[in-house]
Amino acid sequence: GAVVSQHPSWVICKSGTSVKIECRSLDFQATTMFWYRQFPKQSLMLMATSNEGSKATYEQGVEKDKFLINHASLTLSTLTVTSAHPEDSSFYICSARDVSSQETQYFGPGTRLLVL
Amino acid sequence: DAKTTQPPSMDCAEGRAANLPCNHSTISGNEYVYWYRQIHSQGPQYIIHGLKNNETNEMASLIITEDRKSSTLILPHATLRDTAVYYCIVRPQYNFNKFYFGSGTKLNVKP
Repeated sequence: GAVVSQHPSWVICKSGTSVKIECRSLDFQATTMFWYRQFPKQSLMLMATSNEGSKATYEQGVEKDKFLINHASLTLSTLTVTSAHPEDSSFYICSARDVSSQETQYFGPGTRLLVL
Repeated sequence: DAKTTQPPSMDCAEGRAANLPCNHSTISGNEYVYWYRQIHSQGPQYIIHGLKNNETNEMASLIITEDRKSSTLILPHATLRDTAVYYCIVRPQYNFNKFYFGSGTKLNVKP
């Protein structure tokens, strides 16, 4: 299957700082990528849909000014957690939809964020 | 989007078949059934998907009932590495966006 990478795999930051997470589709082009968040012992929660060349669309209850998404190319989307607080500590996972094979989303390995 | 219901956990003996059920009684005719799994602290891994017919690949088989209101994922010979949370998701055929994850089934494969 297609490969999606995330960087970094884990990050620790101080409260009030911003953290950027990258999501890359390595062997396919993705017009659409998705960002999820997962708290311990819970399921994945869709945060937003990232569209190449246009604004992201956010799920209800997700603050767009808090979680900035940029999808500048067909292989890269970034999520920036601005002014991070301890409650933002979570496992952030991206997925990408293959343009040539619209039916399946492929997920990245996830980024674990710890805000102190 | 149609909702899915899965048992919270199941046990399976190593080497035996694991049969994971999913109920999607409100599924509509143009909605696919997808299965993913998530091994601890990793991103979800695609397993298989189908619309109406049963499907098989190198990982698993997907059996969809004739009325499409339920399905079963079959891992023919479970190994310890198959221990994971398995998610059943339905997605509209012509809406490629937005997988909504339910709580899934934690499959424990035991030696």
